Amino acid sequence: QSALTQPASVSGSPGQSITISCTGTSSDVGGYKYVSWYQHHPGKAPKLMIYDVTSRPSGVSNRFSGSKSGNTASLTISGLQAEDEADYYCSSYTSSSTRVFGTGTKVTVL
Amino acid sequence: EVQLVQSGAEVKKPGESLKISCEGSGYSFTSNYIGWVRQMPGKGLEWMGIIYPGDSDTRYSPSFQGQVTISADKSISTAYLQWSSLKASDTAMYYCTRGYSYFDYWGQGTLVTVSS
Repeated sequence: QSALTQPASVSGSPGQSITISCTGTSSDVGGYKYVSWYQHHPGKAPKLMIYDVTSRPSGVSNRFSGSKSGNTASLTISGLQAEDEADYYCSSYTSSSTRVFGTGTKVTVL
Repeated sequence: EVQLVQSGAEVKKPGESLKISCEGSGYSFTSNYIGWVRQMPGKGLEWMGIIYPGDSDTRYSPSFQGQVTISADKSISTAYLQWSSLKASDTAMYYCTRGYSYFDYWGQGTLVTVSS
């Protein structure tokens, strides 16, 4: 079972918007509404940012939003802030009843 | 407050066995799935498997099937990840996390180092 494909890095200036893609197949991302996104600062536990493609947990800034088209899901961070600098991972439920993470994207705030 | 508290860091030799734990509190342990996630040094997150403590139904990623065992003791609200014979390549941070289709709470991580 292959990891979902994400760009290795994305960067942006403070205040800008960036989008991270997450590409899978019809057996995972494309087949289910169960795509989630996680923010991971080194040395800390990952944090849920988006679940069920577009839903945001309580306490997560509305600057974070999710979407999906076909086999590709996306996470958009608007109004980029220094604290957003971290690694981001997507995850999806799969047709094998397992889950799979993306390859991870390092977000740099310039 | 929901909490997942993992056991402490471990240093082991190749071939040794190991069982690490994850204790849940602040929610119904038996009604929520617990998953395990690996992060090797400098690498990304990898989903290992998941267990439903209510009936111990377990599902493994194909990459980890037969390599580890996931279990749970609902009487003490604790999930486990165990190895029967560690390899140097098992050196990693291991996280437990609550959830089925998404993971909303995470443990602090257990660092496992396997070295001769």
